[in-house]
Amino acid sequence: GENVEQHPSTLSVQEGDSAVIKCTYSDSASNYFPWYKQELGKRPQLIIDIRSNVGEKKDQRIAVTLNKTAKHFSLHITETQPEDSAVYFCAASIRGGSYIPTFGRGTSLIVHP
Amino acid sequence: ETGVTQTPRHLVMGMTNKKSLKCEQHLGHNAMYWYKQSAKKPLELMFVYNFKEQTENNSVPSRFSPECPNSSHLFLHLHTLQPEDSALYLCASSLSRTEDYGYTFGSGTRLTVV
Repeated sequence: GENVEQHPSTLSVQEGDSAVIKCTYSDSASNYFPWYKQELGKRPQLIIDIRSNVGEKKDQRIAVTLNKTAKHFSLHITETQPEDSAVYFCAASIRGGSYIPTFGRGTSLIVHP
Repeated sequence: ETGVTQTPRHLVMGMTNKKSLKCEQHLGHNAMYWYKQSAKKPLELMFVYNFKEQTENNSVPSRFSPECPNSSHLFLHLHTLQPEDSALYLCASSLSRTEDYGYTFGSGTRLTVV
């Protein structure tokens, strides 16, 4: 089955800095890669996703890049703010088989004011 | 609220108790899911329902019993649980199980087994 590795497990930055979270996946058939943000005590929320037919997608301060050859994708947050502090999960789902996503272990992002 | 409502938000139960978790969505989604979230672990898929039919049972112990009476409601019946079952149980829904759209999660039920 699919295996998703996520790094780092914890990321601490100063307000205004950029943050990058990286995920790798094992199955080259995966074609959908969502990112979820889970604030403390709250539910995970989809913040951005990317499909394998594009290499990059941007939404205001967040962007996701995908390298199909290397089988890795990354979440980029620019001009971080304290409200960006949360656990971020990446996921990958496999085309043609199960569409159930495999989640990474999560990255705890802490943005210091 | 998000469109996916879970009750109760918190539950403390003894190992011999029987309780049920409830999930409800009115988003017009046809697929619903139960996930277990434990500290320091990835989200663990438990069950998947698509159009009320169970399509996945991820080797979950029989002390967890799901029920999906219709596409809008999902239950997780619990009995004779173990302390290691303490976790956040998340319900999610999506438009369809066979399309790669993102999930909408509920706020979860924080379960403590004593």
